[in-house]
Amino acid sequence: QSVLTQPPSVSGAPGQRVTISCTGSRSNIGAGYDVHWYQRLPGTAPKLLIYGNINRPSGVPDRFSGSKSGTSASLAITGLQAEDEADYYCQSYDSSHVLFGGGTKVTVL
Amino acid sequence: ELQVVESGGGLIQPGGSLRLSCATSGFNVSGNYMTWVRQSPGKGLECVSVIYSGGRTYHAESVRGRFTISRDNSKNTLHLQMSSLTPEDTAVYYCARGGRGSPKYYAMDVWGQGTTVTVSS
Repeated sequence: QSVLTQPPSVSGAPGQRVTISCTGSRSNIGAGYDVHWYQRLPGTAPKLLIYGNINRPSGVPDRFSGSKSGTSASLAITGLQAEDEADYYCQSYDSSHVLFGGGTKVTVL
Repeated sequence: ELQVVESGGGLIQPGGSLRLSCATSGFNVSGNYMTWVRQSPGKGLECVSVIYSGGRTYHAESVRGRFTISRDNSKNTLHLQMSSLTPEDTAVYYCARGGRGSPKYYAMDVWGQGTTVTVSS
């Protein structure tokens, strides 16, 4: 079980808004360490989606947004599209090491 | 263009050793923290090893004492020496570039396509 907890799956219809939570603790997210999000499309390498809690790298659509509060963080996808069907991972830092959440599979209905 | 390309994966018997390599281009491997991240079948991402710009290394408990991360600054290459391999080490291994600062605040922004390691008799 991962130290960073994500729901195993979320789903939504095209155009809807979905959110993915990432729950940590006072030793990681709550310690002020940043949270980053990665998207892994089927058969491809992970891709940085959100860095520094809220920032989008160049080329990432603005329908993806991140937030952080206390010991948790969230990724929101607004205007869900078929191409967003993928696995999403949060990542932070704890006890000298890089940590990933368990991952969330987003299904577009 | 920023790029990392992994190599060295394959089929290996339990107890065996394997050395993965990650050729980088477009940046200096010594200027960023670098990681090896793996994904086992049906599981999520796991960061197994990190090497910081200053040379300090860190290995996850699951591989500590068996895996060693290193870099060759002259060749801009990252390595992962794996020994005493078990079937639980079967995974796709990704090389990823971190930021120029601490992983406390910097994400991994360049990823390779991965190399597959299969540990089986």
